[in-house]
Parts: sequence; C-alpha cells; structure tokens
Amino acid sequence: NAGVTQTPKFQVLKTGQSMTLQCAQDMNHEYMSWYRQDPGMGLRLIHYSVGAGITDQGEVPNGYNVSRSTTEDFPLRLLSAAPSQTSVYFCASSYSHAVTEAFFGQGTRLTVV
Amino acid sequence: TQLLEQSPQFLSIQEGENLTVYCNSSSVFSSLQWYRQEPGEGPVLLVTVVTGGEVKKLKRLTFQFGDARKDSSLHITAAQPGDTGLYLCAGEGPSSASKIIFGSGTRLSIRP
Repeated sequence: NAGVTQTPKFQVLKTGQSMTLQCAQDMNHEYMSWYRQDPGMGLRLIHYSVGAGITDQGEVPNGYNVSRSTTEDFPLRLLSAAPSQTSVYFCASSYSHAVTEAFFGQGTRLTVV
Repeated sequence: TQLLEQSPQFLSIQEGENLTVYCNSSSVFSSLQWYRQEPGEGPVLLVTVVTGGEVKKLKRLTFQFGDARKDSSLHITAAQPGDTGLYLCAGEGPSSASKIIFGSGTRLSIRP
C-alpha cells in the first residue's frame, strides 16, 4: 500500500546543477501536483496535472518543469538550481481536484549551495 | 499575496486548554479543507467543509465553514500533546478549480 512515493528524501545541489525529483502514485489518481514548503509560507503550488499529457502552472512555476507521460508518474525538473530553490518539496495526488482528499508524499528536502 | 490567511501563525498552550485557529480569505470558496502536518511528513486531511455555515466534528476538533464561504475555523477542546503540529487550510484557487491553494499554516504546540 505505497500511496505517493517521492525520491530522493534528501538532496544537496550546487548552484547551476539540474536534477529531477521523482513522484509516483499507485492509486490511479488523475490529479497530481507539486508544492514547495518554506518556513512561514505554508505550501505553494508549483505545477499540477489533471491527467496524463496535461500540465499547468501553479503559483510559483519559474525554474521548474514538469511532464505527465503516465497516470502514475509526475516528475519535477529543476533546470538550473538556485539557492532560492532550497526548500522542502511535496508531491500530492487525488482522485480529482477540489473537494477530494489529497494524499501527500513524505517530501524531498533540497538544499542548493 | 496569500489567498488564504491563517491566524495565529504560532500558538503554544497548556494541555487541557481550548483553542481556535482561523482561515480567512476575501474570496468565496466552494469548499475548504483542513490538513495536519507532523515534522518530516506530508500533510494529512482532517476534514472537508462544503456548505456555508457547515459544522463538522472530529472527536475534540470542531470545524466550521463561514456562512459566506470565505472563512473557516478550527476549534480544539481540551488540547492534548498529540494535537501538536502544523494545521493548514486549503481551497480551490480563484481562477481555476484545479489549483488547490494552501494557507500559511498555524503551528500549534501543546505543553504537557
């Protein structure tokens, strides 16, 4: 009963490096999203997807790319890491958007030096 | 600009006391959700409120959705150390029902 799986749990990057945060869910959920969590800021939506092949921008999309080639996977790519991207990243999925329950992964703590 | 404002940001109280935290917005929401997050974990859903004026109870937690569906409150009776955590409200974004927006959170600490 895996739910939402994020990898890695921790990552340190140098400024300018690129990397992909992985997110997979096994609940056949259509809706998936990525958030970043910074102290005192709650969760801010980066990108989201309402189904395979469909993605859209959230509140803070700059510096991040996403794709949704399958229902299960929703990777988040950092193109050229910056110290401002130091944060905890959460992936979430839900059966649909809005009133349905969102299930979160355990998060990826990313530090950019 | 934070669409959902939560207050207070921090709250530290003694075990057994009552407390209320608030989630306010200038926008109307078709529904609001409350989540609790513990350190090192993702948020977990507590409740969803849909109807203006709706009250839902979850053991010692009481959730209310404002009549105008612009605000919500969470009241905890006889707080216990296990209630410690970050409480987040969430609702649909204003321009798209597909954007789920979170408030800044209330960090609650219950002292034994």
